[in-house]
Amino acid sequence: QSVLTQPPSASGTPGQRVTISCSGSSSNIGSNTVNWYQQLPGTAPKLLIYSNNQRPSGVPDRFSGSKSGTSASLAISGLQSEDEADYYCAAWDDSLNGGVVFGGGTKLTVL
Amino acid sequence: QVQLQESGPGLVKPSGTLSLTCAVSGGSISSSNWWSWVRQPPGKGLEWIGEIYHSGSTNYNPSLKSRVTISVDKSKNQFSLKLSSVTAADTAVYYCARYPTTVTTAFDIWGQGTMVTVSS
Repeated sequence: QSVLTQPPSASGTPGQRVTISCSGSSSNIGSNTVNWYQQLPGTAPKLLIYSNNQRPSGVPDRFSGSKSGTSASLAISGLQSEDEADYYCAAWDDSLNGGVVFGGGTKLTVL
Repeated sequence: QVQLQESGPGLVKPSGTLSLTCAVSGGSISSSNWWSWVRQPPGKGLEWIGEIYHSGSTNYNPSLKSRVTISVDKSKNQFSLKLSSVTAADTAVYYCARYPTTVTTAFDIWGQGTMVTVSS
């Protein structure tokens, strides 16, 4: 059971806009920034969004992030076949001894 | 361009100790970054194991803390993971990753990962 909650799956057709949610609590998302990672099949995760809504250099502006209270969202517009991957949210958790917590991951299928 | 490369045995016996090393190239391990280990069991999600700063300061996942030791070797520009008393549940791909202390405060660089199987 992951500390952050994501839907296990999401899907969309090419060109469509999809969103992936990430729900947490006051000790993680509620008090710290959220990061998003994309993991293509058989590869290491790649940083997609940091500090809630910042894109690293090289990440297309089709990807955007937002945060409100204890929840965050990743939006992908103009969906492309190469976006088919697993997506993970993550945040620092201030409870107990702290540490980074991840969502369980969302598998995005491009139909 | 900083790169990370994991190395270590791919097979560990139950009750034994898993030992991995992450070599840092293209940059100094003494820079303003935390150096982390993250693992992913087959077909499952990501789990943060712990992190170390070049000063030797560490933070560990509370659920693994009693079995984990992360250390740094500045002379070799690398850091290491030891996980003791392993069971089949520790079978996973183990990644090392960089976590800057400023600006991009996230795992911005990852190693390719190394599969470790716990089996007799």
